[in-house]
Amino acid sequence: SAVISQKPSRDICQRGTSLTIQCQVDSQVTMMFWYRQQPGQSLTLIATANQGSEATYESGFVIDKFPISRPNLTFSTLTVSNLSPEDSSIYLCSARTGGEETQYFGPGTRLLVL
Amino acid sequence: SQQGEEDPQALSIQEGENATMNCSYKTSINNLQWYRQNSGRGLVHLILIRSNEREKHSGRLRVTLDTSKKSSSLLITASRAADTASYFCATGRSTLTFGKGTMLLVSP
Repeated sequence: SAVISQKPSRDICQRGTSLTIQCQVDSQVTMMFWYRQQPGQSLTLIATANQGSEATYESGFVIDKFPISRPNLTFSTLTVSNLSPEDSSIYLCSARTGGEETQYFGPGTRLLVL
Repeated sequence: SQQGEEDPQALSIQEGENATMNCSYKTSINNLQWYRQNSGRGLVHLILIRSNEREKHSGRLRVTLDTSKKSSSLLITASRAADTASYFCATGRSTLTFGKGTMLLVSP
């Protein structure tokens, strides 16, 4: 299994600014992911964070708006850029260990954009 | 992409009663996972059932899978107020696609 932590747990930001969310896993994992959950909605995959290369983005999400880094097997960051109130959501980091089918989630970062 | 759809969208029961939630999906799967989310927090993994399994138990949880109908159900027996949460099913070979979830309210 994997224990995932995220920082910050919540933040309130002004429109036009950016927020970087950190994700730390307690063990080396093969795959890391970032999800968004808009208010009252289900989870939507933003991108797969690839170690040492550019993230793989899902349709509707672009690198300029959601730059992602993954410098090693246990850490990733998601930046939400040029914030607008529509970006107010919970952002969740997720990971899967090698050979395991189960996908684990962090506690989420609750973002409010004013 | 695969899409899980849970029903009901919301379920309200009394403590001690059983709660059943259903999930349907559209394409073939390797496995199906159920998660719980308390009050907009992180997701807690509950159970994974593989495509060659028909039923799986974990404590008070019972999950069934019918690949011919592309559906799964999650049964929580003897529910408790602490079971109040949203429950999601998810499918996917590498990346997960989540259903819309069932919001369960268990009243004391």
